Amino acid sequence: DSGVTQTPKHLITATGQRVTLRCSPRSGDLSVYWYQQSLDQGLQFLIQYYNGEERAKGNILERFSAQQFPDLHSELNLSSLELGDSALYFCASSVVLGAGEQFFGPGTRLTVL
Amino acid sequence: DAKTTQPPSMDCAEGRAANLPCNHSTISGNEYVYWYRQIHSQGPQYIIHGLKNNETNEMASLIITEDRKSSTLILPHATLRDTAVYYCIVDIIQGAQKLVFGQGTRLTINP
Repeated sequence: DSGVTQTPKHLITATGQRVTLRCSPRSGDLSVYWYQQSLDQGLQFLIQYYNGEERAKGNILERFSAQQFPDLHSELNLSSLELGDSALYFCASSVVLGAGEQFFGPGTRLTVL
Repeated sequence: DAKTTQPPSMDCAEGRAANLPCNHSTISGNEYVYWYRQIHSQGPQYIIHGLKNNETNEMASLIITEDRKSSTLILPHATLRDTAVYYCIVDIIQGAQKLVFGQGTRLTINP
């Protein structure tokens, strides 16, 4: 158990819909990262927040957005969903701003039908 | 793009040492070598990292060549639970904003 929690574990929705994925980092970790893992693209970095501020962006689509709240939990919002958005979404956290040692949550499996 | 090259798959007998190679010929002086693994579809798990000296922890050992162009992750006594995809990642430790995962090595431990 990494100490990072993600909800929900599974999410099934239809194309065009909007969903919100939630992540609670380890106690004391200020940095939160979101990654997407699909069959054809592998594990890809989406976005990072540190203490409430966006600090880095990867290959995140404009239909996706995220935020980190004062209590340090983070949410990833995915809108206008397409079939290709079906993937595992992982959240990770670390103590410091830039850390190679990141602690990953169990992931949310999103299925878009 | 990932800066590392790993064999796509490897097999190892249970109880034997598993040696996973990684090539990172373009590594620069301030870049560390990290190893993560992902068991089935669980979240990736940090294993170990190093700069130029060999490192050991309770999970594994990391051997980095003197020229730092390659490294080997060693699981000393592999168990069935070590079956996973192992990722070798090269990145700077300060200010690293993301981990760039390649395809990794799928390690299968056989009974």
